Amino acid sequence: KNEVEQSPQNLTAQEGEFITINCSYSVGISALHWLQQHPGGGIVSLFMLSSGKKKHGRLIATINIQEKHSSLHITASHPRDSAVYICAVSKAAGNKLTFGGGTRVLVKP
Amino acid sequence: ETGVTQTPRHLVMGMTNKKSLKCEQHLGHNAMYWYKQSAKKPLELMFVYNFKEQTENNSVPSRFSPECPNSSHLFLHLHTLQPEDSALYLCASSQATSGGQAEQFFGPGTRLTVL
Repeated sequence: KNEVEQSPQNLTAQEGEFITINCSYSVGISALHWLQQHPGGGIVSLFMLSSGKKKHGRLIATINIQEKHSSLHITASHPRDSAVYICAVSKAAGNKLTFGGGTRVLVKP
Repeated sequence: ETGVTQTPRHLVMGMTNKKSLKCEQHLGHNAMYWYKQSAKKPLELMFVYNFKEQTENNSVPSRFSPECPNSSHLFLHLHTLQPEDSALYLCASSQATSGGQAEQFFGPGTRLTVL
């Protein structure tokens, strides 16, 4: 079993819909990262969080340390949000990231 | 130039070739990373350098040889690769921290095809 599991693997939404992506992990972590990868490969860091909730524009990330679970929400989704969203965790020591398998999101106009 | 740059963006090589991938960061970071992304597999860490010293080798075959001459530059030297090494190779950088709470900044990647 992977240390970081994401669901769903694929998600299709209509423009304007609210999207939720889930991430569960099984190891002790110092931080959890949400990344966005567009076609072509470039990866952008969206959030790094170790507790609570963070918001940036239409994106919201939450984490529950006790339950070892995080969610990424996209409000009022737009076709430009179409990308692969990747959850990753950094463990207590060092900068190593362990990645989930990614969630491919397609937002249709 | 800003951020993390990688060259070349695309590379096709034969199994007997020797080539190098280059990564440069302009963010003043002191940790750099090589990642591999194969089709239908999660990203995998390959190497970590902190202050030019290799601190992590994730059981990478010796046909991949990293080099970090300074905190801004990272190379991945490739020789006698196999077709299964075809993948997207991503470089990243961050502030070095022992606590694991450093945001990583990624380059655009090099798409490698081994024939």
